[in-house]
Amino acid sequence: QVQLQQWGAGLLKPSETLSLTCAVNGGSFRDHYWSWIRQSPGKGLEWIGEISHSGRTNYNPSLETRVTISVYTSKNQFSLKLNSVTAADTAVYYCARGLSGTLSPWGQGTLVTVSS
Amino acid sequence: DIVLTQSPGTLSVSPGERATLSCRASQTVSRNYLAWYQQKPGQAPRRLIYGASSRATGIPDRFTGSGSGTDFSLTISRLEAEDFAVYYCQQYGSSPRTFGQGTKVEIK
Repeated sequence: QVQLQQWGAGLLKPSETLSLTCAVNGGSFRDHYWSWIRQSPGKGLEWIGEISHSGRTNYNPSLETRVTISVYTSKNQFSLKLNSVTAADTAVYYCARGLSGTLSPWGQGTLVTVSS
Repeated sequence: DIVLTQSPGTLSVSPGERATLSCRASQTVSRNYLAWYQQKPGQAPRRLIYGASSRATGIPDRFTGSGSGTDFSLTISRLEAEDFAVYYCQQYGSSPRTFGQGTKVEIK
């Protein structure tokens, strides 16, 4: 059974870089894409992007200029960096396994608050 | 981007009754790549349906997805206490993947 465990800083100041990591336990890391999604009261659920075990990425164009998703295959981990954050980036961030475009399972979520 | 509009925003239903949720896309969802998720307070979403009508592993058969093109629905045949939650649709036929704004199913 695949489980995703995520962690990272929960409080940032404007202009700082958001950094989160997700560890995958169980299942095959190499057979899937691995995604980041965020959820905010204002914008609902928003897909941020995904990465394969080989490092191939797809990003949401709305965030592409500020996002980097990286993979660490030897550790079965992947990470999200979002630079130049503003209050609009305040959200719960989730990692998830891609299953042919759907998302399952999801990590537990990390609340990231951007405030001066 | 494909915009998914869910209706109603809130659905009040009694336990044991049927609930039908709608998801309408702003353009055709390629290959009917439409999924449904359930989210309970404080939890991550859980995938219920993929490919518009295929039930994910472990999902009870009271959950049924249907539809094609731009109009999709999720029916919960006999609501149980554990089914009161927020439901989201997601399209994954076009990039970027997008989600609906959700339908809250609450106890009447």
